[in-house]
Amino acid sequence: AQSVTQLDSQVPVFEEAPVELRCNYSSSVSVYLFWYVQYPNQGLQLLLKYLSGSTLVKGINGFEAEFNKSQTSFHLRKPSVHISDTAEYFCAVSEKTSYDKVIFGPGTSLSVIP
Amino acid sequence: GAVVSQHPSRVICKSGTSVKIECRSLDFQATTMFWYRQFPKQSLMLMATSNEGSKATYEQGVEKDKFLINHASLTLSTLTVTSAHPEDSSFYICSARTSLSYNSPLHFGNGTRLTVT
Repeated sequence: AQSVTQLDSQVPVFEEAPVELRCNYSSSVSVYLFWYVQYPNQGLQLLLKYLSGSTLVKGINGFEAEFNKSQTSFHLRKPSVHISDTAEYFCAVSEKTSYDKVIFGPGTSLSVIP
Repeated sequence: GAVVSQHPSRVICKSGTSVKIECRSLDFQATTMFWYRQFPKQSLMLMATSNEGSKATYEQGVEKDKFLINHASLTLSTLTVTSAHPEDSSFYICSARTSLSYNSPLHFGNGTRLTVT
């Protein structure tokens, strides 16, 4: 079974500074990887996804993530954050053979400080 | 883009009563919908997979008789929390894919905050 680890539960960062949110996964088979963002009292919105091909994936709102198979990581980055990026970020994984079942990491709370 | 509508957004009910939450795909048909539960400051836990025209598939540890799922049409799935108790208070979120393809992402509703008093 697959699992997802997000080592940082909370990440405070100053406005316009860069940020990296870490994600590591565990799976015995090939996977698809996702990052979702959740604003307070709302559902989740897809930021980006890795299905195949280029390991560097660009998403919405200036975010990007890099898939590293050897390190089983899929870290999320943004070169310059805005106040509006304050939210909860979830890394998620699904196995290619059963892609309907998406497993979410525990989440990282990003707080952008003005 | 694809929209998943969830209703109600908030509900408060008394212990022992039942509550129904609706999840609708507004501009696409969804043969499969997913129900998640989220505790405060925690991640989403998949509760069950709702299949149109057939029984839902529940994850281990989820009580089928307590969380009744009905997927009667290609655009509507409902989750009924029966005989609710305070420990059922949580944020419930549904999601659906626009197609069965592996590269079709999940689209989420805005969630339902259930408070059982």
